[in-house]
Amino acid sequence: DQQVKQNSPSLSVQEGRISILNCDYTNSMFDYFLWYKKYPAEGPTFLISISSIKDKNEDGRFTVFLNKSAKHLSLHIVPSQPGDSAVYFCAAAFSGTYKYIFGTGTRLKVLA
Amino acid sequence: GAVVSQHPSWVICKSGTSVKIECRSLDFQATTMFWYRQFPKQSLMLMATSNEGSKATYEQGVEKDKFLINHASLTLSTLTVTSAHPEDSSFYICSAETEDTQYFGPGTRLTVL
Repeated sequence: DQQVKQNSPSLSVQEGRISILNCDYTNSMFDYFLWYKKYPAEGPTFLISISSIKDKNEDGRFTVFLNKSAKHLSLHIVPSQPGDSAVYFCAAAFSGTYKYIFGTGTRLKVLA
Repeated sequence: GAVVSQHPSWVICKSGTSVKIECRSLDFQATTMFWYRQFPKQSLMLMATSNEGSKATYEQGVEKDKFLINHASLTLSTLTVTSAHPEDSSFYICSAETEDTQYFGPGTRLTVL
């Protein structure tokens, strides 16, 4: 059973617009969430994280929103750039363990 | 930022041979490293957790005698795929734990002929 779900396998966005990537989880005990970005043939790189005590975390063009009641988090990229084209994985964890449960990824394509 | 390297980045081997993949944390010490396998169109699957100086903890369904993990130092963990078969062909990724997150290596593409 998939504990972390990214229901959109792909997403296309025009350059300069907002990209919104979504992630749902089933275990309400998860208290730490992360987003990773992965280019082909490379390992995923850490992008941004959020603790369950927050509902928003911002880092430059990237903002992660957490809705605990809905067990949902999203990653917003504004403005989107062609270099953002990659696969984005969300991950959930129990803080202190760092054993991450990954979603299946969403492939973002930013069109120039 | 923290850097994790993997060697080799790409390896082709014959069926029945063994392949060793190294994972190194270059500028920090990692008491815990993780090994993942990526399947096409799927996410990373955690294979095992490697702790320095102790036996690795394998996830359910992962054969510990086939995927040998050694974590001999605070900066190096190795994964040896023994008696490799074509179905072992995959992208293997390691990560190293720091105080606040994990840093992933670039991955190793294994192709078993």
